[in-house]
Amino acid sequence: NAGVMQNPRHLVRRRGQEARLRCSPMKGHSHVYWYRQLPEEGLKFMVYLQKENIIDESGMPKERFSAEFPKEGPSILRIQQVVRGDSAAYFCASSPPEEYEQYFGPGTRLTVT
Amino acid sequence: EDKVVQSPLSLVVHEGDTVTLNCSYEVTNFRSLLWYKQEKKAPTFLFMLTSSGIEKKSGRLSSILDKKELFSILNITATQTGDSAIYLCAVANFGNEKLTFGTGTRLTIIP
Repeated sequence: NAGVMQNPRHLVRRRGQEARLRCSPMKGHSHVYWYRQLPEEGLKFMVYLQKENIIDESGMPKERFSAEFPKEGPSILRIQQVVRGDSAAYFCASSPPEEYEQYFGPGTRLTVT
Repeated sequence: EDKVVQSPLSLVVHEGDTVTLNCSYEVTNFRSLLWYKQEKKAPTFLFMLTSSGIEKKSGRLSSILDKKELFSILNITATQTGDSAIYLCAVANFGNEKLTFGTGTRLTIIP
């Protein structure tokens, strides 16, 4: 059973460009979570999704950030018009329904130049 | 706002030593506490604790939760260089699914 997959692993964008981060949950997992980790800080929750539904987006900035988890395909975290402060590691986690353990992917390290 | 505090922030010990990492929390409607090990990439799940006083054990690692005093400890015995990592503690509430993380303890094992 493959683990949580994220791609790309590293992404470099210039200020003002768009960043798209992808996450494929573990097989059988229908819950996806996105977290951001700034240098020397802990992981901060951004958004929790189930298939075709955003359940909790309380940790996601209201502007420029969006997330989706379509019926088919990976979950996407989209950052429009990136700024230097968006540079961070973005981790995706997944869990099966009715269970609370979250399993993390390897992360996407976004660098905005 | 939910809060998780880990101590110490960093710890350097010699191979073979035993270490204890601490995690205290303040959360509303506590459901569970989770420990993760983070090396250069993905946080790797170690333990999930929901009940006080019941030790969870996996090899040289063990953990216990005290819901009255609102803390957990993670013990590692006979440490090895491969134990060098950042150890993260997180808590979850009933009513939402997000994890609130502490900033971690950076453990370094010297050969």
